[in-house]
Amino acid sequence: DTEVTQTPKHLVMGMTNKKSLKCEQHMGHRAMYWYKQKAKKPPELMFVYSYEKLSINESVPSRFSPECPNSSLLNLHLHALQPEDSALYLCASSQIGRQGGTDTQYFGPGTRLTVL
Amino acid sequence: KNQVEQSPQSLIILEGKNCTLQCNYTVSPFSNLRWYKQDTGRGPVSLTIMTFSENTKSNGRYTATLDADTKQSSLHITASQLSDSASYICVVRRSGGYQKVTFGIGTKLQVIP
Repeated sequence: DTEVTQTPKHLVMGMTNKKSLKCEQHMGHRAMYWYKQKAKKPPELMFVYSYEKLSINESVPSRFSPECPNSSLLNLHLHALQPEDSALYLCASSQIGRQGGTDTQYFGPGTRLTVL
Repeated sequence: KNQVEQSPQSLIILEGKNCTLQCNYTVSPFSNLRWYKQDTGRGPVSLTIMTFSENTKSNGRYTATLDADTKQSSLHITASQLSDSASYICVVRRSGGYQKVTFGIGTKLQVIP
């Protein structure tokens, strides 16, 4: 199974709503990532989890709150978002090598988020 | 500064024709370079991964080359098909900084009948 799944596929929310994005992989990968991608732009790294611990936070606003409940799941909790947060949110996972290096990142299909 | 530049930004070719996409990088120290294909509204899918010692790698109709001396890579698509229409993204990883990679802006390819 070389698949990363994400739910929901599409999400529309108001600025006062609280919602969560979910990501799941069963490849035994111990590094998981959240990216944000605006139209016609490359993905921008938001968070990295290694062995279920947050290892990188790219100065993301606190209205985005990641959570890694176990080695297969990664969540992104959303609260009080702004219209400019509308984007495609991508989850990815990868192996962690013996020297800490990672192999190919496998991406999920993404969640298309629209904030009204 | 670690950067990845791709050219052209967009490209339109006729079905059945070949094309070559370019990627130049300044990421150092270099670990590996990947080419991803991303369909609109979908997550990127890995096509090839190349390390320092590899010059050429093929995946079906896709052939990637790497010149680590000049820090250039290319992705050649042979006998293009309509399904090749997508963005092609070059991604370079630094050695040591294992969790962070640098994405190029991508080349948007459109194959027309």
